[in-house]
Amino acid sequence: DAGVIQSPRHEVTEMGQEVTLRCKPISGHNSLFWYRQTMMRGLELLIYFNNNVPIDDSGMPEDRFSAKMPNASFSTLKIQPSEPRDSAVYFCASSPQGAQPGNTIYFGEGSWLTVV
Amino acid sequence: SQKIEQNSEALNIQEGKTATLTCNYTNYSPAYLQWYRQDPGRGPVFLLLIRENEKEKRKERLKVTFDTTLKQSLFHITASQPADSATYLCALDGINSGNTPLVFGKGTRLSVIA
Repeated sequence: DAGVIQSPRHEVTEMGQEVTLRCKPISGHNSLFWYRQTMMRGLELLIYFNNNVPIDDSGMPEDRFSAKMPNASFSTLKIQPSEPRDSAVYFCASSPQGAQPGNTIYFGEGSWLTVV
Repeated sequence: SQKIEQNSEALNIQEGKTATLTCNYTNYSPAYLQWYRQDPGRGPVFLLLIRENEKEKRKERLKVTFDTTLKQSLFHITASQPADSATYLCALDGINSGNTPLVFGKGTRLSVIA
């Protein structure tokens, strides 16, 4: 069974450009999470969806960030305009039972974003 | 303020020894605690989960303890091997007694030296 699939794996872009990161969760999983990982702050939750509906976006840094989940098999995280401080690894993860306690989550391989 | 601290950024041990990693938390009340392994350039992978009413959980060479009084979890790898070298992340689960996504520590990078 395929795991969580993210694209692109690596992206280098210039400040001010729009960046779109894509994610395909594991089939049958009803929850999807976007995390960001940096050396300074570790792994931080940006937003998560249950059954395609955003539940908690309090981790989204600012209005430049937006996320959508138009259907159960696809989600995007968009940064517009991008800034050098957005450089990080962005992970998408999915789980079969939402954010219920005791539920493990499955991560993709990450999208490595560098904004110059 | 709420904090999760893992004992050190990096830990070096000799092959064959037991590695012990620490996860301490403040101002959280997790119902569960999970441990993940992350290899360079890869996403975290789930290893073990322990409930608040469990003192200890084992899986092959791995052992996890959970002390809700001390607000601490210990993660042990016995008979460590170079292949165990990775970053290990602890994650608090079931905090606020509700459906709250995992909150992760920054991780400890373990290097097992042959």
